[in-house]
Amino acid sequence: KAGVTQTPRYLIKTRGQQVTLSCSPISGHRSVSWYQQTPGQGLQFLFEYFSETQRNKGNFPGRFSGRQFSNSRSEMNVSTLELGDSALYLCASSKREGGGYEQFFGPGTRLTVL
Amino acid sequence: KNEVEQSPQNLTAQEGEFITINCSYSVGISALHWLQQHPGGGIVSLFMLSSGKKKHGRLIATINIQEKHSSLHITASHPRDSAVYICAVGAGNEKLTFGTGTRLTIIP
Repeated sequence: KAGVTQTPRYLIKTRGQQVTLSCSPISGHRSVSWYQQTPGQGLQFLFEYFSETQRNKGNFPGRFSGRQFSNSRSEMNVSTLELGDSALYLCASSKREGGGYEQFFGPGTRLTVL
Repeated sequence: KNEVEQSPQNLTAQEGEFITINCSYSVGISALHWLQQHPGGGIVSLFMLSSGKKKHGRLIATINIQEKHSSLHITASHPRDSAVYICAVGAGNEKLTFGTGTRLTIIP
């Protein structure tokens, strides 16, 4: 079974631009979560989509948005990029197991904002 | 105070040593996750626990719900175990809260 894929793997943008990142979950997984990882803040939850609906949201400004398509693929968008948005963006697809959701992570997209 | 605290932040050991990484949390959880991140960024889920103990190869994870504490043990450590180990907790949904990670270096 293919793992979670993310495109692109690397991206360089300038301040003020916008960016769209894509995530394809493991086949059969309907939930996709997005995370931001920075050296200063570590890993932080952005949002989670299930069946095309945002189900959970972290504490990020409205410049960060996402969506999920009927095939469970998800995209996240960051508008008006700031230098502080430089980070590794990870997505994970999950399935429920016992009391929790086992998460399978993609390789990440490394975004650099200049 | 962070909701999830890990210790130590950095750990260097000789090959073959027994390794313990600790995680304490302050919120109610439904599951605790141990993750491994190698240089380059990819994250692998090692364990998801809601009670007791799990073992996979040389890795063992335990959790004490009453004490809100979990440990990750590595037996017979090997240089390929060098990575950052991250504890994360979930409260019944996919929204995980992460510890700051433990950077493990195993010296041959």
